Amino acid sequence: DAGVTQSPTHLIKTRGQQVTLRCSPKSGHDTVSWYQQALGQGPQFIFQYYEEEERQRGNFPDRFSGHQFPNYSSELNVNALLLGDSALYLCASSPPEQLYTEAFFGQGTRLTVV
Amino acid sequence: AQSVTQLGSHVSVSEGALVLLRCNYSSSVPPYLFWYVQYPNQGLQLLLKYTSAATLVKGINGFEAEFKKSETSFHLTKPSAHMSDAAEYFCAVRIYNNNDMRFGAGTRLTVKP
Repeated sequence: DAGVTQSPTHLIKTRGQQVTLRCSPKSGHDTVSWYQQALGQGPQFIFQYYEEEERQRGNFPDRFSGHQFPNYSSELNVNALLLGDSALYLCASSPPEQLYTEAFFGQGTRLTVV
Repeated sequence: AQSVTQLGSHVSVSEGALVLLRCNYSSSVPPYLFWYVQYPNQGLQLLLKYTSAATLVKGINGFEAEFKKSETSFHLTKPSAHMSDAAEYFCAVRIYNNNDMRFGAGTRLTVKP
């Protein structure tokens, strides 16, 4: 089992650009959540996807959007990048029937905005 | 809304000494509580979790935590620290019917030889 995989592992973007991050959930998991972890802080919930729809959203602007595909993989898109968007972006997947008690995290994507 | 507070952003112990990382939570309903470990440039690995069963929870790598409702605490302990335990530790809380897992700011554990 490959676990939760994220790509790319690192990337550098310029202010104002757009970025897409990708996540493949653990086998058998149908729910994907995205988190932003700024340097020296704990992760913050961005949103969660289930059945290809955004089920819940944290306190993030509309510049952050996402998508879930029929195979349960997910993308996180960030438009009009700001320097403050520099962070580690973590994807977590959860299995059916254990949504609130299981969350497996990927290795993350380190985004640097210059 | 639910939240957690981790007391002490940095904890330093000697190898073989007791590890105690503190976490207090706030929740209006019974919580699910988690401890995760993060090594440099890596994601989060689950150490243990409380999901309303036994209040003393045993996890991986010799760690355990006790849920104390009266103190709203979920402190993480390990009897004897190992050099490989040096990492960042995060306490997190979640409640039923809310998909937003709230994390503390983290505690960096240093283990001295």
